[in-house]
Amino acid sequence: GQQLNQSPQSMFIQEGEDVSMNCTSSSIFNTWLWYKQDPGEGPVLLIALYKAGELTSNGRLTAQFGITRKDSFLNISASIPSDVGIYFCAGPYTGNQFYFGTGTSLTVIP
Amino acid sequence: DVKVTQSSRYLVKRTGEKVFLECVQDMDHENMFWYRQDPGLGLRLIYFSYDVKMKEKGDIPEGYSVSREKKERFSLILESASTNQTSMYLCASSFPPGQGRTGELFFGEGSRLTVL
Repeated sequence: GQQLNQSPQSMFIQEGEDVSMNCTSSSIFNTWLWYKQDPGEGPVLLIALYKAGELTSNGRLTAQFGITRKDSFLNISASIPSDVGIYFCAGPYTGNQFYFGTGTSLTVIP
Repeated sequence: DVKVTQSSRYLVKRTGEKVFLECVQDMDHENMFWYRQDPGLGLRLIYFSYDVKMKEKGDIPEGYSVSREKKERFSLILESASTNQTSMYLCASSFPPGQGRTGELFFGEGSRLTVL
């Protein structure tokens, strides 16, 4: 499927720092999904957003559904070494298929 | 919790062999998908199925076929494996987006296939 624009492409941060990443699209979405993928593993769904402006948390993770419905943001607070991995966004289109973000690779330095 | 289970985590096959990758989901999802994931190319859709015995080609169906005889099971078949099919294969499932359904997509653990 088509790729969503995700930034930054990679991040190297110190343990304890906060992290922000975002996804943008030229199309309107009704749902935004955020995933984490560890090396050699399948992606795990972290947060799902369903309404424009919605702010949803899952532990130290907070995600927001942009007001324009063309973007979404993921924040990780007080990062820890196990946050290392690739994070990507996704959104359903045409009812049965999905667009995916290009991914943000996160490295946490202890 | 939603569970999508892929039958093999790691496979090594020889060129020309037939390869079966099995996927089972336990959430009564109508939609099931097969993707391959390669560095720098992201997730690419091979095939998806929206009902038993129904299938639709994705972006890269060449060299692959699929089978969906039961709602919970979706199989990917490589009739004659080639080295350029060495990849991570991911199965996923979801309800179709619509009233009362969230459209969330759930992935399996992945199957790493190496074709020699």
